[in-house]
Amino acid sequence: DTGVSQDPRHKITKRGQNVTFRCDPISEHNRLYWYRQTLGQGPEFLTYFQNEAQLEKSRLLSDRFSAERPKGSFSTLEIQRTEQGDSAMYLCASSSLKRTSGRQETQYFGPGTRLLVL
Amino acid sequence: QQQVKQSPQSLIVQKGGISIINCAYENTAFDYFPWYQQFPGKGPALLIAIRPDVSEKKEGRFTISFNKSAKQFSLHIMDSQPGDSATYFCAASKNFGNEKLTFGTGTRLTIIP
Repeated sequence: DTGVSQDPRHKITKRGQNVTFRCDPISEHNRLYWYRQTLGQGPEFLTYFQNEAQLEKSRLLSDRFSAERPKGSFSTLEIQRTEQGDSAMYLCASSSLKRTSGRQETQYFGPGTRLLVL
Repeated sequence: QQQVKQSPQSLIVQKGGISIINCAYENTAFDYFPWYQQFPGKGPALLIAIRPDVSEKKEGRFTISFNKSAKQFSLHIMDSQPGDSATYFCAASKNFGNEKLTFGTGTRLTIIP
């Protein structure tokens, strides 16, 4: 049984560079969420997908951020022209929305990708 | 705009004692309230969750108490152990958990021998 995995676990980049993170959800989970967590704070919602459709984006997600989930499996989060304020832990979570009951299972989180922008 | 307020920011409890963390929410549309535990360098892991149709839920040493009229809920950890030392986050969601989670700011819990 594999949980949510994220790659890379750590990323150091220079201001102005582009970075891309990958999230592999639990197999057959149809919902995938991205959150951002800064030091000493709780995770903040960025965006989520149901299968390949991106259903909601937070106002935190500026034009420099883009997320995709091709084929409804893994997802990527890209940050263009990184800024020092982008330094944070980027967390991915997945869950399964059961069509029969409409109830969602727990959101399971991955270990996160810690980004440091110099 | 903080929709879920959590207190205290940090908490020190003796081994065997009861740890209590409190949260308050503003949005009455919230109807799913989980608690997550996070260790350094790890992602949050679900501990226990409650829906507003019950006032209390217990799983092992962990209990959620829920007060719908006051829009408050709390986590009680009985017989606290050093292994419980972690950061705890309350959260809330709408549509019975079918939407994004809104997290509190976290409580760093330290259990001392």
